[in-house]
Amino acid sequence: GAVVSQHPSWVICKSGTSVKIECRSLDFQATTMFWYRQFPKQSLMLMATSNEGSKATYEQGVEKDKFLINHASLTLSTLTVTSAHPEDSSFYICSARTGIYGYTFGSGTRLTVV
Amino acid sequence: AQSVTQLGSHVSVSEGALVLLRCNYSSSVPPYLFWYVQYPNQGLQLLLKYTTGATLVKGINGFEAEFKKSETSFHLTKPSAHMSDAAEYFCAVSDQTSGNTPLVFGKGTRLSVIA
Repeated sequence: GAVVSQHPSWVICKSGTSVKIECRSLDFQATTMFWYRQFPKQSLMLMATSNEGSKATYEQGVEKDKFLINHASLTLSTLTVTSAHPEDSSFYICSARTGIYGYTFGSGTRLTVV
Repeated sequence: AQSVTQLGSHVSVSEGALVLLRCNYSSSVPPYLFWYVQYPNQGLQLLLKYTTGATLVKGINGFEAEFKKSETSFHLTKPSAHMSDAAEYFCAVSDQTSGNTPLVFGKGTRLSVIA
């Protein structure tokens, strides 16, 4: 089946630094990638939708300058958290459309900013 | 706009008992409905989905759900709970009208299974 590989699984960074999270579609072409954020014991909140070769569409309230999304190829989408602060600590998950009815998810990245 | 309401943020059942997790949706177009399970610090695993056709959908690990349009519901059931079923469960909806449509998730229900 369709697999999205997400790396890293967890990362600890210092406040003020930037962190890049990668999602790769291993056996299919991901035209569209969705990025979600999940706070502890809460649901997944859509941050942005990225389409290969075009600018990402951000949800209301999401700072596009802080959360940079790049979808330069059909198999790779990245989320860069710039100048990270402790309040950016969260679980980030990517998701790609697979066919008409399907969605597949990455395994998630636990970001801790200290 | 679509939305999902999961009734009960926490459900606790005894091992071997019936599992019932409730999900109601709101959608202006025919919905496609999903149930996912999430274990701590992991991604989401698809349990089952309803797109078209038969309204009773069977999924993995003995779970099933029934799409009831008149009740706008898609409740998840399992006849006999197992300890390994303890996890967070999310109901989600998509209208599938375009390739750019994301899933919209409910708030989740944490299932505890008591020995």
